[in-house]
Amino acid sequence: DGGITQSPKYLFRKEGQNVTLSCEQNLNHDAMYWYRQDPGQGLRLIYYSQIVNDFQKGDIAEGYSVSREKKESFPLTVTSAQKNPTAFYLCASSRQENSPLHFGNGTRLTVT
Amino acid sequence: QKEVEQDPGPLSVPEGAIVSLNCTYSNSAFQYFMWYRQYSRKGPELLMYTYSSGNKEDGRFTAQVDKSSKYISLFIRDSQPSDSATYLCAPLAPMDSSYKLIFGSGTRLLVRP
Repeated sequence: DGGITQSPKYLFRKEGQNVTLSCEQNLNHDAMYWYRQDPGQGLRLIYYSQIVNDFQKGDIAEGYSVSREKKESFPLTVTSAQKNPTAFYLCASSRQENSPLHFGNGTRLTVT
Repeated sequence: QKEVEQDPGPLSVPEGAIVSLNCTYSNSAFQYFMWYRQYSRKGPELLMYTYSSGNKEDGRFTAQVDKSSKYISLFIRDSQPSDSATYLCAPLAPMDSSYKLIFGSGTRLLVRP
């Protein structure tokens, strides 16, 4: 089945540590996205990538970094510079920029 | 003012009821509108995708867009307990040379058996 796989489902880290969230898609989509979801707030865009080896900052990129070395993969690193990293992180992909997004099932990150 | 506003709910209805979920937006440049359904601890899944004003029907779901009043609605007929979820409206906004989805905060729906 085609889809988006995010791993792990739950992740726990100590404050001050960097952590990388995995996102893989086998939909052959060009565009990939990372969103953050907090209670009572809409999804907020962290980074997006329209093609391999290229990515742009979204609305809340500070404290995060990404890479897009392969079409299928778009990992997100939450660095120690991110002030409030505890959140639900969602990866998505789309065939092209104005197409609907397809989401993975998220990674819940807890930093203590 | 938020770009997209939704009543957070929760909206509680009996099984079989007609549900109306609503969303307002502020930017008249929005032309594509999407509704996503999100179950607890899962990623959002696309329900409906409409372009410009008018209605679009898919089974028990009808999406309605009124661009003149910047108002988006999702109607669910014969609601089922399995429809209990959070519903997110998401207009597609122009962004540099691309687009991005602007999500509302979602309305939580509970359908009681």
